[in-house]
Amino acid sequence: GAGVSQSPSNKVTEKGKDVELRCDPISGHTALYWYRQSLGQGLEFLIYFQGNSAPDKSGLPSDRFSAERTGGSVSTLTIQRTQQEDSAVYLCASSLGGGRVETQYFGPGTRLLVL
Amino acid sequence: GDSVTQMEGPVTLSEEAFLTINCTYTATGYPSLFWYVQYPGEGLQLLLKATKADDKGSNKGFEATYRKETTSFHLEKGSVQVSDSAVYFCALSRETSGSRLTFGEGTQLTVNP
Repeated sequence: GAGVSQSPSNKVTEKGKDVELRCDPISGHTALYWYRQSLGQGLEFLIYFQGNSAPDKSGLPSDRFSAERTGGSVSTLTIQRTQQEDSAVYLCASSLGGGRVETQYFGPGTRLLVL
Repeated sequence: GDSVTQMEGPVTLSEEAFLTINCTYTATGYPSLFWYVQYPGEGLQLLLKATKADDKGSNKGFEATYRKETTSFHLEKGSVQVSDSAVYFCALSRETSGSRLTFGEGTQLTVNP
């Protein structure tokens, strides 16, 4: 079956613009995660969705970042008024039920460059 | 808070050499431990995992043992191949933190023929 897909694969934007990044998790996976991979910060957690529960937003770096998950499937990460420090690879992952022993399956990432 | 510390890279080895990448962690409770690998041009993928103390995870000739007494999860392989060249990430997850992964810094491994 299909893995986690993300779009776009690359995004170049100007400072101050808004961007939307999309994630399609593996069908049937109830847990969805967003991470960010950047040179200075390594791999860091951003936000977590589990079923119909309220998302865990504790990793979002500022209020310019938001995410939603519609219908328990597709997720969109939105960055408003982008800054150069937002340049990074944004990774989405999903797992079957969200338990600590489960494997998270990662998408190929969206490489964001803010000029 | 939770943290994972990996040995600094990059690591360069000759083919058939023995590999060890050290990983230690700080976390409350009983985390699960993972090694993820990122091959050039590819996404992150699970290499192996261990979910409780003394468990050994293994895959593709790689092994790591969950050592609670030393809070470690070192990755080993007896004979590396050129195709093992990649970035390796040690990570942990805990139920009480929403099972998010906390990653180490990553170790770049290059294997020369």
